[in-house]
Amino acid sequence: GQQVMQIPQYQHVQEGEDFTTYCNSSTTLSNIQWYKQRPGGHPVFLIQLVKSGEVKKQKRLTFQFGEAKKNSSLHITATQTTDVGTYFCAGPGGDKLIFGTGTRLQVFP
Amino acid sequence: NAGVMQNPRHLVRRRGQEARLRCSPMKGHSHVYWYRQLPEEGLKFMVYLQKENIIDESGMPKERFSAEFPKEGPSILRIQQVVRGDSAAYFCASSPNFGANTEAFFGQGTRLTVV
Repeated sequence: GQQVMQIPQYQHVQEGEDFTTYCNSSTTLSNIQWYKQRPGGHPVFLIQLVKSGEVKKQKRLTFQFGEAKKNSSLHITATQTTDVGTYFCAGPGGDKLIFGTGTRLQVFP
Repeated sequence: NAGVMQNPRHLVRRRGQEARLRCSPMKGHSHVYWYRQLPEEGLKFMVYLQKENIIDESGMPKERFSAEFPKEGPSILRIQQVVRGDSAAYFCASSPNFGANTEAFFGQGTRLTVV
């Protein structure tokens, strides 16, 4: 079945450092979504990318959708302690969203 | 506009008891998804429902688990004869449209602990 993998599984950074998580799908995706889950919280939608090669920015966050629409990345510039959490990508798998394995980000002050 | 409401937030059950988890989607949303999250793991799809219909239950264990979304009232995820391995966070999400091409709005989840 369809799989969505993310690397790395964990990332610990010093506040101010950059962070990137990569998402790879076993199949071509019509769109990719990104969610953030704070510790003890629930997933919250961040963004959706639809077009091949699309790049979107939200303040310090940059999202990219690969040309082949099978991979995506999320880059955070100059991390802050408020960025702590697990970042999930998600893509359509038939009639439902298939979530990636997630990358847990820890930011040390 | 209230978000997705799940209750209870925390549920403790002894082995062999039944667990009932409730989810009220956002107003105007008729599509409900249930996901399970084990500690330190990702979100695993369980079931997708519309009002009075199960659209996709490919992620549901074959035994002890069932889900419904009646015409009136919340969606219910029911786990019979719970075992320790059922301990997890169960999240409900809703969307206004069919399929996986729009944003999913998640509830705060029900943390089930089986003792």
